[in-house]
Amino acid sequence: SYELTQSLSVSVALGQTARITCGGSNIGSKRVHWYQQKSGQAPVLVIYRDDNRPSGIPDRFSGFNSGNTAALTISGAQAGDDADYYCQVWDSDTERVFGGGTKLTVL
Amino acid sequence: QVTLRESGPALVKPTQTLTLTCTFSGFSLNTGKMCLSWIRQPPGKGLEWLALIDWDDDKYYSTSLRTRLTISKGASKNQVVLTMTNMDPADTATYYCARIRDGFYGGEDHWGQGTLVTVSS
Repeated sequence: SYELTQSLSVSVALGQTARITCGGSNIGSKRVHWYQQKSGQAPVLVIYRDDNRPSGIPDRFSGFNSGNTAALTISGAQAGDDADYYCQVWDSDTERVFGGGTKLTVL
Repeated sequence: QVTLRESGPALVKPTQTLTLTCTFSGFSLNTGKMCLSWIRQPPGKGLEWLALIDWDDDKYYSTSLRTRLTISKGASKNQVVLTMTNMDPADTATYYCARIRDGFYGGEDHWGQGTLVTVSS
């Protein structure tokens, strides 16, 4: 089955830009979604279909997808962005797949 | 307002069958492109997608768990049921249901709070 690869952890200084990547074979041909999960809470959709933000998600969150890598970028990182982030795709018209998750630490 | 709530046993014994119910409001699963997923998360680990049912009553399953899972619309039009057979301690996890509004290529835009299921004798 399809695999998505994420770095275990990313650190960013307060106010700086964080980039979280999601690798997969020809992932650029798929639509990628990103979820934020804070400790003890259910996940929240922050980017859908590569680069779209649901209502209520700040424009500090943006997405990109091309080739074998998709990325979530968080500009002006805030303490409240400290969370786990997961990428996800719909593969081969049969199943959804999550990446292993990246823990973002805002220093 | 869209809401989802998972319900079911907090504790099951190994080899038993788990039955979880997702009760939702604020949308209809009969609306075109509407789907509902089940996802789980073992303690301290990542998310794992389990199953999906769509507006047309088509069903999709995780390749690795397909033989143990059944997803169906409940007796009430605002419920979806997931059953998982032959439960094992490795199935201990928080189980979530979540809505997808825009078909298979949309994201899960509303989630329930999750229900923790522990598998132990």
